Amino acid sequence: EVQLVESGGGLVQPGGSLRLSCAASGFTFSDHYMDWVRQAQGKGLEWVGRSRNKANTYTTEYAASVKGRLTISRDDSKNFLYLQMNSLKTEDTAMYYCAREGGNGEMDVWGQGTTVTVSS
Amino acid sequence: SYELTQPPSVSVSAGQTASITCSGDKLGGKYVCWYQQKPGQSPVVVIYKDSKRPSGIPERFSGSNSGNTATLTISGTQAMDEADYFCQAWDSSLGVFGGGTKLTVL
Repeated sequence: EVQLVESGGGLVQPGGSLRLSCAASGFTFSDHYMDWVRQAQGKGLEWVGRSRNKANTYTTEYAASVKGRLTISRDDSKNFLYLQMNSLKTEDTAMYYCAREGGNGEMDVWGQGTTVTVSS
Repeated sequence: SYELTQPPSVSVSAGQTASITCSGDKLGGKYVCWYQQKPGQSPVVVIYKDSKRPSGIPERFSGSNSGNTATLTISGTQAMDEADYFCQAWDSSLGVFGGGTKLTVL
């Protein structure tokens, strides 16, 4: 079964750090681009960033709102995607989803999400 | 930055056709995906590459994209189709989502 399971969310103070993990199973992880998408409570989806696959040298892209503070990495040997979150702001409070990209840029598999709350 | 605009809400009577639009500058030159999200659930892709339907998605879901507007059409709308729908495209390798449309089935 193709599956993504996020973990690592929690409560953190403004200015703090957190690392989210996404465990992938049921497919060849190294073949796929992977994304992080977030959703504040009652709001829409916001694309956070993307990790390309090994064939594309694992390059990353980020939304302007998170660039320089959030960093995506991956470990293909363990089938894990990560989101390192630094200098967190209250506006980073959201459910964070990891998603697999299919061959045409569509996010065809999503995890169940992990909640990040940034508050003092 | 690139923006995609959706109507906040659309209502449709059960059995009728629902159309949800997504507007963006020269959107017809990009591929558009559509995601369905029901309360408490993760999004699910219902249309990709403007008009392709993933396996398992009912035939009543269709899509088109031309000019500045992409459209998700649901024919014979069912109560189970009541959900939030988000369009999404890539602009210079950056992902962009529309604000979402709440579809109400009357």
